[in-house]
Amino acid sequence: GENVEQHPSTLSVQEGDSAVIKCTYSDSASNYFPWYKQELGKGPQLIIDIRSNVGEKKDQRIAVTLNKTAKHFSLHITETQPEDSADYFCAASMGTGTASKLTFGTGTRLQVTL
Amino acid sequence: SQTIHQWPATLVQPVGSPLSLECTVEGTSNPNLYWYRQAAGRGLQLLFYSIGIDQISSEVPQNLSASRPQDRQFILSSKKLLLSDSGFYLCAWSGGGSYNSPLHFGNGTRLTVT
Repeated sequence: GENVEQHPSTLSVQEGDSAVIKCTYSDSASNYFPWYKQELGKGPQLIIDIRSNVGEKKDQRIAVTLNKTAKHFSLHITETQPEDSADYFCAASMGTGTASKLTFGTGTRLQVTL
Repeated sequence: SQTIHQWPATLVQPVGSPLSLECTVEGTSNPNLYWYRQAAGRGLQLLFYSIGIDQISSEVPQNLSASRPQDRQFILSSKKLLLSDSGFYLCAWSGGGSYNSPLHFGNGTRLTVT
């Protein structure tokens, strides 16, 4: 089955700096890659996703890049703010059948310091 | 708009006791429904998913079972809890009939088995 690795496990940046989180996946058939943000005590929330026919997607301060050849994708947060502090999870899906069977990475705890 | 409800938010149960966690979705029809478990410091593990009433797929062998008695109701159960069942349980939904639809999570149930 699919295996997703995520790095780093913790990341501390100063407010205003950029943060980059990287994930690799094992199955070349995966074609959907969402990113989730999870605040303490809450469920994960989708912040951005990308499909395999696209190399980059941007939404304000958040961008995701996908390299299908190398089987890795990254989350980029620019101009970080204290409210960006949370756990971030990447995921991958092979997109078969009729359900979104996501395989998640182990998460990155982002801390934005003043 | 669509909303997802999970309850209870926290639960402490003794080993050997039964379990019933409930999840309901509003504002959508024929959703795909999912149960995930999140262990501390790790990613989310898919336990069960359902593409329709009484249609349940299990992803990992375990002490738990799932049922979907109504279109927008998903229940996670156990007859006898084990210590290893402790964790953060998350229910999620996605659009039916599409394997790469984004997942939308509830706020989870923190289960502690003592």
